[in-house]
Amino acid sequence: DAGVIQSPRHEVTEMGQEVTLRCKPISGHDYLFWYRQTMMRGLELLIYFNNNVPIDDSGMPEDRFSAKMPNASFSTLKIQPSEPRDSAVYFCASSLWPFYGYTFGSGTRLTVV
Amino acid sequence: QQQVKQSPQSLIVQKGGISIINCAYENTAFDYFPWYQQFPGKGPALLIAIRPDVSEKKEGRFTISFNKSAKQFSLHIMDSQPGDSATYFCAASIAGSNYKLTFGKGTLLTVNP
Repeated sequence: DAGVIQSPRHEVTEMGQEVTLRCKPISGHDYLFWYRQTMMRGLELLIYFNNNVPIDDSGMPEDRFSAKMPNASFSTLKIQPSEPRDSAVYFCASSLWPFYGYTFGSGTRLTVV
Repeated sequence: QQQVKQSPQSLIVQKGGISIINCAYENTAFDYFPWYQQFPGKGPALLIAIRPDVSEKKEGRFTISFNKSAKQFSLHIMDSQPGDSATYFCAASIAGSNYKLTFGKGTLLTVNP
């Protein structure tokens, strides 16, 4: 298995632009998580899905953030409009029930200028 | 509210020495305590995990010590090697929801040759 695949690896965009981050979880994993990592706040859970259904989006910072999981093999995290304070590394992770820990992707480093 | 407090922020150890990273938690409902290891440019990877029914778990050079009454747990890396240089995160999750992890802010470990 290729693991959790995220794209792009790096994204530089201008303030106000729409940004879409993509994730392909490990086949067969029924939980998918989006995390954001910054120096100040560490790893923060934004949202997670179970069987493609959003379960808890309480970590999504603002309405500018949205996430979808149209099928078991694909998820997106969208920021519209983007702001400089959204600059961070965004990780996608997946896991299998019963839970033995997450498998993280390599992340997308987002820079908003 | 930071539910998992990790210390120190950074740690420098000589090759062959013991690295010790500590975490404290507040929520007594936590019942799963994993440690993750992250190398630069990569996502965190599960290293070792413990449940509160045991006080210690060892896997190779890595040991988790758990003190339920003090609400503390720690990671010990014996015979530390330069290849262990990475950022280490402790985490915790709540009974019945152990797929939703709360992470500490991380410890940057440097092992000098």
